[in-house]
Amino acid sequence: EPEVTQTPSHQVTQMGQEVILRCVPISNHLYFYWYRQILGQKVEFLVSFYNNEISEKSEIFDDQFSVERPDGSNFTLKIRSTKLEDSAMYFCASSDRNYGYTFGSGTRLTVV
Amino acid sequence: EDQVTQSPEALRLQEGESSSLNCSYTVSGLRGLFWYRQDPGKGPEFLFTLYSAGEEKEKERLKATLTKKESFLHITAPKPEDSATYLCAVHAPNQFYFGTGTSLTVIP
Repeated sequence: EPEVTQTPSHQVTQMGQEVILRCVPISNHLYFYWYRQILGQKVEFLVSFYNNEISEKSEIFDDQFSVERPDGSNFTLKIRSTKLEDSAMYFCASSDRNYGYTFGSGTRLTVV
Repeated sequence: EDQVTQSPEALRLQEGESSSLNCSYTVSGLRGLFWYRQDPGKGPEFLFTLYSAGEEKEKERLKATLTKKESFLHITAPKPEDSATYLCAVHAPNQFYFGTGTSLTVIP
C-alpha cells in the first residue's frame, strides 16, 4: 500500500536554529499538506500546497514557516529561528482529492 | 470558539458492545468531514470522508453518518484492535479543523 514517508522521525534542535522537515508524498498525489500536533493537543492544520503554490494556510503558518517542492518527489517544511513552542509532531499528508488524505508517520521536533 | 467538538472524550466498551461517537461542527461552507483513527505516536489513518448531509459510509465494523450539524461514527460489535483515538476533521474554506478526539478502549 502506498505510503507517505517522513524524515527524520525525530529531530532535536537548538532554539533559534532552522530546521527542514522532509516528506515524500504518494507519487500520483497532487495535493500536499503539513499539520502539527503538540503533545496532548489536537491536530492543527498548517498549510496546503497544490500546483507548486500554497493554496491554503492557517494563522499558525506565519513568516517563520515556508514550504517547498524542490523536485518531483519531495515536499519540505522549513521552520526558521525555532522556538520552544514549535516542539510538536509534524505530519505531512497527501491526497488525490478523490479519496482521503494519507498521513505520514510524523517527525517529532524537539526544540531545546 | 471551537469549530469541532467531539464527544465523549473517552469511551470504554466491552468487546461486542456497540456504541457511537459524536462530532459536532459549527463551520459554514463545509467542504468535507473526515474521520481518522490515530494510534499512539503515529499519524492519523484515514477512515471516511463525508460531503453532504444524509451521506453514510461503511467500512467493516464502522459506519459514519453526516447531518448539517454533526457526524456520528457508529462502531458495531467492536474488538480490542479497534482501540484507538478517533479524530474528526472538518474542511472549511481556508481552514481545516480537527477535534480533540475520542479515546476508545475495547476490553476483551
